[in-house]
Amino acid sequence: AQSVTQLDSQVPVFEEAPVELRCNYSSSVSVYLFWYVQYPNQGLQLLLKYLSGSTLVKGINGFEAEFNKSQTSFHLRKPSVHISDTAEYFCAVSVPFETGANNLFFGTGTRLTVIP
Amino acid sequence: GAVVSQHPSRVICKSGTSVKIECRSLDFQATTMFWYRQFPKQSLMLMATSNEGSKATYEQGVEKDKFLINHASLTLSTLTVTSAHPEDSSFYICSARSFGGLADTQYFGPGTRLTVL
Repeated sequence: AQSVTQLDSQVPVFEEAPVELRCNYSSSVSVYLFWYVQYPNQGLQLLLKYLSGSTLVKGINGFEAEFNKSQTSFHLRKPSVHISDTAEYFCAVSVPFETGANNLFFGTGTRLTVIP
Repeated sequence: GAVVSQHPSRVICKSGTSVKIECRSLDFQATTMFWYRQFPKQSLMLMATSNEGSKATYEQGVEKDKFLINHASLTLSTLTVTSAHPEDSSFYICSARSFGGLADTQYFGPGTRLTVL
């Protein structure tokens, strides 16, 4: 089975400062990795995903994440945050079709609050 | 591309009534749709997976007779909460997955806030 851990439930950061949201996963097989963002009372929007290839993945809104297989991590980073980045961020994993059901497993989320 | 809509966005109903929520993939064909519920300040919990033209697969603990799912076409899935009670109040979110190039990613709808009085 797969599981996802987001150790930080809340991350406050000042505007224009850098931020890193941590995500660790466990799985006995190779996985796909995703970061989603959820604004209040809205659904989830895909920020970025790692399926294969380069371990550094660039997404929308200036976010990027790096897949580290040895540390089973997929941390999300942004060099300079804006007020509009205040939201809930979810890390998720899925198993490729050929090895599993391809369902998404979510972490518990990290609330990013950008302070003016 | 890959837009998923949900209707309604909010619904308030009396206890004992049934509520239907629609999930549509607007610009792609969704072979698989997923239904999640999310309680305040919590993560998404998968309720069921539905494949077009077949019965939904429910997660453990989810009552299939209470949460009826129909995936009649490649662009539409519906979730009907039957005989709703206050404890069913939640944020319901659907997602859709295509085949081919989009098969590895789920695209989410904007969610439906259900309040049962």
